[in-house]
Amino acid sequence: NAGVTQTPKFQVLKTGQSMTLQCAQDMNHEYMSWYRQDPGMGLRLIHYSVGAGITDQGEVPNGYNVSRSTTEDFPLRLLSAAPSQTSVYFCASSYSGPKSGRAFGADTQYFGPGTRLTVL
Amino acid sequence: RKEVEQDPGPFNVPEGATVAFNCTYSNSASQSFFWYRQDCRKEPKLLMSVYSSGNEDGRFTAQLNRASQYISLLIRDSKLSDSATYLCVVRDDKIIFGKGTRLHILP
Repeated sequence: NAGVTQTPKFQVLKTGQSMTLQCAQDMNHEYMSWYRQDPGMGLRLIHYSVGAGITDQGEVPNGYNVSRSTTEDFPLRLLSAAPSQTSVYFCASSYSGPKSGRAFGADTQYFGPGTRLTVL
Repeated sequence: RKEVEQDPGPFNVPEGATVAFNCTYSNSASQSFFWYRQDCRKEPKLLMSVYSSGNEDGRFTAQLNRASQYISLLIRDSKLSDSATYLCVVRDDKIIFGKGTRLHILP
């Protein structure tokens, strides 16, 4: 298994540009999520999905869109990049989500290697 | 009170020493608890889950104190390779990450 993969690893954008960060997992996980990590802020949840066709907002969703057309893929779109979106972005997946009521451990998060984004 | 709080450190500890850090959480209904390890410029990775009865994995021991609403991580006989940031993770109806505690093991 490749686990959780993310592309690109690095990206530089100009203010106002749009782009899509790709995330894929081959573990047949129901739950996928996107986080951003900034110094001193920890990991903050952007959007998440509990299954194909279902997405919801996290703590900091503004400026980002997501879709989940398949179980495997969960792309994150930046609509009009701003310098405040300079960050490291992590995609994560787990067998099930926190509200699923599944057995202990089913919500263990597996992270991709991250995308380092700079917006000029 | 913040949902999940950790001392950011850094903890500078000589090799071979024992180090412990705690993480407090605010929601008494929280159900699952984890410790993740994050190396510099890498993704977080699960270190260990925290069971109600406490659990041990080699040099690492995790404990849960529901009455006082904290979890702890103890590292015995610390190695240089233990240098990392340790993230506390708590689940209630959402998954919440602490900001992490930085640990530096000194030779």
